[in-house]
Amino acid sequence: KQEVTQIPAALSVPEGENLVLNCSFTDSAIYNLQWFRQDPGKGLTSLLLIQSSQREQTSGRLNASLDKSSGRSTLYIAASQPGDSATYLCAVEGETSGSRLTFGEGTQLTVNP
Amino acid sequence: ETGVTQSPTHLIKTRGQQVTLRCSSQSGHNTVSWYQQALGQGPQFIFQYYREEENGRGNFPPRFSGLQFPNYSSELNVNALELDDSALYLCASSLGPLQETQYFGPGTRLLVL
Repeated sequence: KQEVTQIPAALSVPEGENLVLNCSFTDSAIYNLQWFRQDPGKGLTSLLLIQSSQREQTSGRLNASLDKSSGRSTLYIAASQPGDSATYLCAVEGETSGSRLTFGEGTQLTVNP
Repeated sequence: ETGVTQSPTHLIKTRGQQVTLRCSSQSGHNTVSWYQQALGQGPQFIFQYYREEENGRGNFPPRFSGLQFPNYSSELNVNALELDDSALYLCASSLGPLQETQYFGPGTRLLVL
């Protein structure tokens, strides 16, 4: 059974800092890994999707890397802003789990002005 | 292009009642997945519908059921509500059932008293 873990559970940083969020998964047989952002009480916004054959994806100040063999992904946020404050979730689509996404519990990020 | 929409936004029910939640998929998407997110947790996969057929189910009892309509909108029905069913219910649509980015709606917040 696929398990996804995110570390840290919560993170508070001053504005302007570069930061790294971590995601690990137990079964490396995945199609892809996706990073989402969730604002309090809201739905999920897709940030980046990395296919299993890719090593990284970039969008603006966000860069996500994937090391499939070791079961790890990182989300790098450059020059953090207060508007980045949210919960960040990673999810994997497993080769043996059909169509479902398996999520971690998220990292709650607070960027202080 | 219209995004994924869900209705209602909030709902309060009592134990034993039945509830129907609705989801309109993004234009051009034929696949809808439903997730349950308890407070402070990551979303858990309930089931997926692809072209009006159930295409995968998570570890949820049969009192959780669904439908997908010819226009690819979907319903989630929950019978005999329990207190633990209180959660944010999210639907996501995608271009297909596998290896496609899932786009999430804003969710329906269900409270069971």
